[in-house]
Amino acid sequence: GQQLNQSPQSMFIQEGEDVSMNCTSSSIFNTWLWYKQDPGEGPVLLIALYKAGELTSNGRLTAQFGITRKDSFLNISASIPSDVGIYFCAGRGGATNKLIFGTGTLLAVQP
Amino acid sequence: ETGVTQTPRHLVMGMTNKKSLKCEQHLGHNAMYWYKQSAKKPLELMFVYSLEERVENNSVPSRFSPECPNSSHLFLHLHTLQPEDSALYLCASSSGTGGGQPQHFGDGTRLSIL
Repeated sequence: GQQLNQSPQSMFIQEGEDVSMNCTSSSIFNTWLWYKQDPGEGPVLLIALYKAGELTSNGRLTAQFGITRKDSFLNISASIPSDVGIYFCAGRGGATNKLIFGTGTLLAVQP
Repeated sequence: ETGVTQTPRHLVMGMTNKKSLKCEQHLGHNAMYWYKQSAKKPLELMFVYSLEERVENNSVPSRFSPECPNSSHLFLHLHTLQPEDSALYLCASSSGTGGGQPQHFGDGTRLSIL
């Protein structure tokens, strides 16, 4: 079945550093979504992407819909302690057009 | 009022118990979902309801029984669960099931089976 590969699995960084994570799929997608999940809470939508090449920002977060339509990137600039959490990508497309989720990137930020 | 509310937040039950999880959305959406979240695994879609009709059932064991009485409420009835069913159960809603409408999640019910 369809799979999303999300990397890295975890990141441990210092406050102020920039962060980059990505997701790749085996199929062409028409939608990419990025979510953040804090401990004890549900995932919260950060950014939604609907067109190849689209670049969208939400504060210090920037996400891009890859030109090949098989990948997406999320960048966080000047990280702060409250950026800690698990970041999930989700994509829709391929034969089933179902929304599927990546396994998440755990981000830890040291003050 | 948060967009998607789930109760209870935590549930501990024995394998012979019967309990229900409740989800309520205040976003005016017409699609609702149940997901299972286990450690180190992607979110697993369990059920999808659109306009109160079940449109997807992803090979979920019959010990999980969903119910959607209206577009704002979704239940997951549980009976004779197994220890491997311990997980975080997330409810989500969206304004449709096709296209790219993003799903909005509740904070989940942490379920522990003894």
